[in-house]
Amino acid sequence: QLTLKESGPTLVKPTQPLTLTCSLSGLSLSSTKVDVAWLRQPPGKALEWLALVYWDDDKHYSPSLKNRLTLTRDSSKNQVVLTMTNMDPVDTATYYCAHRLYGAFDSWGQGTLVTVSS
Amino acid sequence: DIVMTQSPESLAVSLGERAIINCKSSHSLYSSFIKNYLAWYQQKQGQPPKLLIYWASTRESGVPDRFSGSGSGTDFTLTISDLRAEDVAVYYCQQYSSYPYTFGQGTKLEIK
Repeated sequence: QLTLKESGPTLVKPTQPLTLTCSLSGLSLSSTKVDVAWLRQPPGKALEWLALVYWDDDKHYSPSLKNRLTLTRDSSKNQVVLTMTNMDPVDTATYYCAHRLYGAFDSWGQGTLVTVSS
Repeated sequence: DIVMTQSPESLAVSLGERAIINCKSSHSLYSSFIKNYLAWYQQKQGQPPKLLIYWASTRESGVPDRFSGSGSGTDFTLTISDLRAEDVAVYYCQQYSSYPYTFGQGTKLEIK
């Protein structure tokens, strides 16, 4: 059974970059066709899809954030890393990684709350 | 971007009754090759979303058959029959027909 877990800083200063790691267990990135996405949810608001990396390393980003996002697949560590540059208080949210099934997301991490504040 | 609009924003339903949540997309989500690229999620307070339905009407493994999805093209419905207290949550629809994937604004379901 696939499980995902997000890790990274809980507090980031404005203009600084954010790096989040999604660690997978139960499936191997190097031997299984696993697609992983990042999504976020500001407090009390709706879900927003950020980025997706396919098993073959093909990547897609939200156009509104594309210039700020970078996805990296590390098969040796079974991790997917999201980097977001130039953080702003409006980026305060719970960030989730999730496994893509046909386009829907069938397994989610518990999420990590990131606050952007000086 | 495809805009997903849910209605109502909130609803209160009595235990044992039926709850109906609607989702409308700004573009058709239908493909004659594969069907409708629409999913439904349930999110309880303090938890990540849980996938209920994909391909508009295919129930995820382990999801009770009280939950059903219907619709095609641009209009979709999530129906929860025999409402139980544990169904209190926010429900989201999501399209995966084209990038960027987009979600509805959510519908908050409460017990009357």
